[in-house]
Amino acid sequence: GENVGLHLPTLSVQEGDNSIINCAYSNSASDYFIWYKQESGKGPQFIIDIRSNMDKRQGQRVTVLLNKTVKHLSLQIAATQPGDSAVYFCAENREADGGATNKLIFGTGTLLAVQP
Amino acid sequence: DTEVTQTPKHLVMGMTNKKSLKCEQHMGHRAMYWYKQKAKKPPELMFVYSYEKLSINESVPSRFSPECPNSSLLNLHLHALQPEDSALYLCASSPSRDRETSNSPLHFGNGTRLTVT
Repeated sequence: GENVGLHLPTLSVQEGDNSIINCAYSNSASDYFIWYKQESGKGPQFIIDIRSNMDKRQGQRVTVLLNKTVKHLSLQIAATQPGDSAVYFCAENREADGGATNKLIFGTGTLLAVQP
Repeated sequence: DTEVTQTPKHLVMGMTNKKSLKCEQHMGHRAMYWYKQKAKKPPELMFVYSYEKLSINESVPSRFSPECPNSSLLNLHLHALQPEDSALYLCASSPSRDRETSNSPLHFGNGTRLTVT
């Protein structure tokens, strides 16, 4: 399938440190990317997005960087807090139906564990 | 709380049962989605509805049957499921799926946790 992996990568950080979560995407034609946060027992929650004509976008305590040359996306969280503990997914918008529409495909996900 | 509401939150069904999952949004979104998520895995796209018409079916088995009665509602009818179909079923919506305007995030509900026995 498009999403492969038996294990969930884990990033463990100390409270107050900065976190960087990485994501590699496969389709060079993808033009829109989103980061989602998913807490236990909940659906994915939108964090920040970026279009392919940008290489950086900042939100409140979060920054997304896009490197189209190497098809890499990263999410930086400043001053990580215990409430940031969750699984983080990147998602890319891919062409579908011969270009008539798009579909959002999720990456593998990273578990962020914040130690108090 | 999310703006996409899914019911029920939990569902246990036997392999011979027929059940339905329901999803509702009142954001005026014209695209709605079903995703399936297994434990420790990312959500996988199943169906996309655009303006109440089925736009994408990701080769989903016919024991899953989607329905979009109107622009606010999305159902997933289940029949003769297998234990491996046990998963979290997520509904999402977005303003549209037109190629020119589809660059907007999907809004997800909290899902229905389905167990097939």
